[in-house]
Amino acid sequence: QSVLSQPPSASETPGQRVTISCSGSSSNIGSNYVKWYQQLPGTAPNLLIYRNDQRPSGVPDRFSGSKSGTSASLAISGLRSEDEADYYCATWDGSLGGWMFGGGTKLTVL
Amino acid sequence: QVQLQESGPGLVRPSETLSLTCAVSGYSISSGYFWGWIRQSPGKGLEWIGSIYHNANTYYNPSLRSRVTISVDTSKNLFSLKLNSVTAADTAVYYCARNPFYSSGDNWFDPWGQGILVTVSS
Repeated sequence: QSVLSQPPSASETPGQRVTISCSGSSSNIGSNYVKWYQQLPGTAPNLLIYRNDQRPSGVPDRFSGSKSGTSASLAISGLRSEDEADYYCATWDGSLGGWMFGGGTKLTVL
Repeated sequence: QVQLQESGPGLVRPSETLSLTCAVSGYSISSGYFWGWIRQSPGKGLEWIGSIYHNANTYYNPSLRSRVTISVDTSKNLFSLKLNSVTAADTAVYYCARNPFYSSGDNWFDPWGQGILVTVSS
């Protein structure tokens, strides 16, 4: 079981907005930056968000990240069929002394 | 544009050593950054293995530290992973990635290699 908790699945229709949550604790999300990764089927994870809310160049502004206390969220607006993927949150855990990933959320675009 | 490519055996016998190499193109490892290994198995999801700096400073996942060695060869612009005493639980897709590092709480993996499936079986 992952230290970071994500819902296993989420779904929404095209054009709508969906939010994926990531819950942790004071030793991980509460004291470190959160990252989000998108993994399309059969491919490697790709960085979507770093430093809680920063987008690398090339990532559309439809993707946004936020953090409050020991929880973080990824929001995707204007959903498209190509957004159907697995999404992972990640951060450092100071107590465990290493990187931690959430269990992943499978997003289905209906 | 930085690109990473993993290579190595796709099948390793139990109790033996898993050895993988990550070749980096489009960027000189000697110029900086940490470089890391991450694996993904159906049972455990994504798991960070460890990372190395161009000067060979390393930091490892505490749960794997006793079995892992990561090394770097700046002359060949590649870094390597060795995981010894493997079991079926080590079966996974292994990824290498660049690891921009500002502090333990402020670092990330980008970009990633395509990954290589390693199966541990007799």
